[in-house]
Amino acid sequence: ETGVTQSPTHLIKTRGQQVTLRCSSQSGHNTVSWYQQALGQGPQFIFQYYREEENGRGNFPPRFSGLQFPNYSSELNVNALELDDSALYLCASSSAGSYGYTFGSGTRLPVV
Amino acid sequence: QKEVEQDPGPLSVPEGAIVSLNCTYSNSAFQYFMWYRQYSRKGPELLMYTYSSGNKEDGRFTAQVDKSSKYISLFIRDSQPSDSATYLCAIKSGANNLFFGTGTRLTVIP
Repeated sequence: ETGVTQSPTHLIKTRGQQVTLRCSSQSGHNTVSWYQQALGQGPQFIFQYYREEENGRGNFPPRFSGLQFPNYSSELNVNALELDDSALYLCASSSAGSYGYTFGSGTRLPVV
Repeated sequence: QKEVEQDPGPLSVPEGAIVSLNCTYSNSAFQYFMWYRQYSRKGPELLMYTYSSGNKEDGRFTAQVDKSSKYISLFIRDSQPSDSATYLCAIKSGANNLFFGTGTRLTVIP
């Protein structure tokens, strides 16, 4: 299977709820990054995982957390959702040391 | 000051026009420069990347980097309606994350 796949593609949450988003990396890629893209903005780096460890983090609070599994797939968890968390959440995979990131189509998450 | 600044547009051009998209960046340590294209309701798709000053050409697309001015450009020749999308510049330092511009929304009118 090629390409980065994300699930679900769209879901709606209410303020205070928790959400888990999932990502399967492209075949041969061992690094996964998560980005948040608010409407009309460029993607903002949340964090990156390499060999199941967090390998860099952007300016996001601890209620944003993640996991990477032995097959390089990944999860993004967000606790205590706020209205400002409404965004498109993008997963990108790459090979360690490369700058060619392959993005998935994202999960659209409105928080109401 | 944001790491990367990009004019959000929108930009509308007639089919066949030459399109110029631009970004400026603040940190001279940035090493890798990329342009992504994002269609509506899709993830960004890597168009071009470069790591040195000068021009890099790929078909109708030319990426230009001027490190002395901290300025990067993407030129699209003979623009087509299928080029209508949002174009994002992205810059990477030696660290793990990409810094993206806001994106410029381009519409090519048939």
